[in-house]
Amino acid sequence: DTGVSQDPRHKITKRGQNVTFRCDPISEHNRLYWYRQTLGQGPEFLTYFQNEAQLEKSRLLSDRFSAERPKGSFSTLEIQRTEQGDSAMYLCASSPIGSGELFFGEGSRLTVL
Amino acid sequence: GQQVMQIPQYQHVQEGEDFTTYCNSSTTLSNIQWYKQRPGGHPVFLIQLVKSGEVKKQKRLTFQFGEAKKNSSLHITATQTTDVGTYFCAGSNAGGTSYGKLTFGQGTILTVHP
Repeated sequence: DTGVSQDPRHKITKRGQNVTFRCDPISEHNRLYWYRQTLGQGPEFLTYFQNEAQLEKSRLLSDRFSAERPKGSFSTLEIQRTEQGDSAMYLCASSPIGSGELFFGEGSRLTVL
Repeated sequence: GQQVMQIPQYQHVQEGEDFTTYCNSSTTLSNIQWYKQRPGGHPVFLIQLVKSGEVKKQKRLTFQFGEAKKNSSLHITATQTTDVGTYFCAGSNAGGTSYGKLTFGQGTILTVHP
């Protein structure tokens, strides 16, 4: 399967710990997005890369959040000093240039105790 | 900022009945997309609408984009149990059709009783 893959699928951590999620987009897609989804809500945009350049960050993304896409392929999303309010599904999506269609991964579910 | 509202929040139908979900944006959109998320799954792209007044059909699904490009609807004819899931609209006010920064509605959860 050459879809978007995310790792880990589930992460349980204690408040104050750091966590990192990885996303491998569809190989020919140069745009990569991170969204966050909480129960009963639609996904919320966090940040967006075109190749290795991070072009936009949502105001939702506090200083504790950082995302990278160092070689324009996979991306990581790190959350430092996690808080209970960070508990959510973190969705990665990719798209090719010229298309607005997002291909989502299965997501990484974070639970902060 | 931009807000996208979706109604109803829940819809329970008998198999064979029709279903419609409505989406309204607080701002004019450049395009609107629809996604389906099965229980426990991830959002899957259904369609993108770009033009004012556009109507697109996919088998039993009919999608409309309003004349003012601020509202949209998804209609399913003769629902089947495979239609179960949450339907999201997602709007963009970025220029062009290729930008993926979307504002999602809260979704309509569809339950189909056999």
